[in-house]
Amino acid sequence: DQQVKQNSPSLSVQEGRISILNCDYTNSMFDYFLWYKKYPAEGPTFLISISSIKDKNEDGRFTVFLNKSAKHLSLHIVPSQPGDSAVYFCAARAAGGTSYGKLTFGQGTILTVHP
Amino acid sequence: GAVVSQHPSRVICKSGTSVKIECRSLDFQATTMFWYRQFPKQSLMLMATSNEGSKATYEQGVEKDKFLINHASLTLSTLTVTSAHPEDSSFYICSASPQGLSSPLHFGNGTRLTVT
Repeated sequence: DQQVKQNSPSLSVQEGRISILNCDYTNSMFDYFLWYKKYPAEGPTFLISISSIKDKNEDGRFTVFLNKSAKHLSLHIVPSQPGDSAVYFCAARAAGGTSYGKLTFGQGTILTVHP
Repeated sequence: GAVVSQHPSRVICKSGTSVKIECRSLDFQATTMFWYRQFPKQSLMLMATSNEGSKATYEQGVEKDKFLINHASLTLSTLTVTSAHPEDSSFYICSASPQGLSSPLHFGNGTRLTVT
């Protein structure tokens, strides 16, 4: 059962335009959501996160939106740059105790930004 | 930012041998570290939680006797893949958080294990 889903395996965007990566989840116990960027043969790099008590968090070119009622979050990158090309993973964490390290990851979306 | 270092980055071993992977938190102490695994074109899956000074907690379906975890200090956790088989070939990644519950996990660069 895939509790975190990234339904778009890939996304291609022109440099300077907006990239929108989507993520859906099914577990209502998730209270913290994160986006990671990953290059081949490297570990994921943390980008931005959002707590379930918020609906938006912004950090520079990156903005994450959370729609709890729809169990949907999205990552907006604007303007997109060729260096943003990578695999983007959405991850979620359930509330409670010592489980803070137990992230449930989506399948990832390959973002390609063309010059 | 928080740095998690993992070694080796790549290892090739023969079936039946054991391989040790080290994970270090370089600029913070981590009482808890986490080991993930990623198969090709798949998502990252948590294997186990490594606890400093106590036994690791394994996720369902992960064999504790096959994947030995030792967390002997506040900055080092090791994962040993014992009697490795080709199906153990994968990308193993460790992670830790400098502030626990309220902060995101930071990941090491991963170890590509190939068992021949």
